[in-house]
Amino acid sequence: GQQVMQIPQYQHVQEGEDFTTYCNSSTTLSNIQWYKQRPGGHPVFLIQLVKSGEVKKQKRLTFQFGEAKKNSSLHITATQTTDVGTYFCAGRLGQNFVFGPGTRLSVLP
Amino acid sequence: EPEVTQTPSHQVTQMGQEVILRCVPISNHLYFYWYRQILGQKVEFLVSFYNNEISEKSEIFDDQFSVERPDGSNFTLKIRSTKLEDSAMYFCASSPPNPNTEAFFGQGTRLTVV
Repeated sequence: GQQVMQIPQYQHVQEGEDFTTYCNSSTTLSNIQWYKQRPGGHPVFLIQLVKSGEVKKQKRLTFQFGEAKKNSSLHITATQTTDVGTYFCAGRLGQNFVFGPGTRLSVLP
Repeated sequence: EPEVTQTPSHQVTQMGQEVILRCVPISNHLYFYWYRQILGQKVEFLVSFYNNEISEKSEIFDDQFSVERPDGSNFTLKIRSTKLEDSAMYFCASSPPNPNTEAFFGQGTRLTVV
């Protein structure tokens, strides 16, 4: 069945350092979405990528969708303590969102 | 801003009992989902629902589970004969008719089976 993997599982960074999480799907995706879940919270939508090779930026966050539409990345420049949380990618397959296992980011002040 | 609402926020039940988790999706949305998240683990797809029927379900969604849209606003998840391993956060989500849009998640119901 559909598999969406993410690495790393955990990342601890010093405030101000950069952070990247990678997402890989076993099948081609129609689109990919990224969500952030704060500790104790629910997943909150960040962005959606649809086109092959697409790159989108939101302030310090840069999102990429691979050419084959099977992988994606989220890069955060100069992390802040407010970036703490788990970042999930979710591949859209039909009407179903298949979530990756998430990367838990800790930012040390 | 419209949001998905879930009740209760926390449900404690005895093993073997039945529970119903309730969700009110955003009013103009047509696709509804249930996901679960065991503490510290990933968000797992359970079922999607469209046009008053299940459109997709995962291996987790076996005969113990059922979903219903009893009226025009509620979307429920019933878990029969609960087991300890059903303890998790259950998230309801909905999305608009356009397939290229995000899912809006509710705050979740924390189910604890004792």
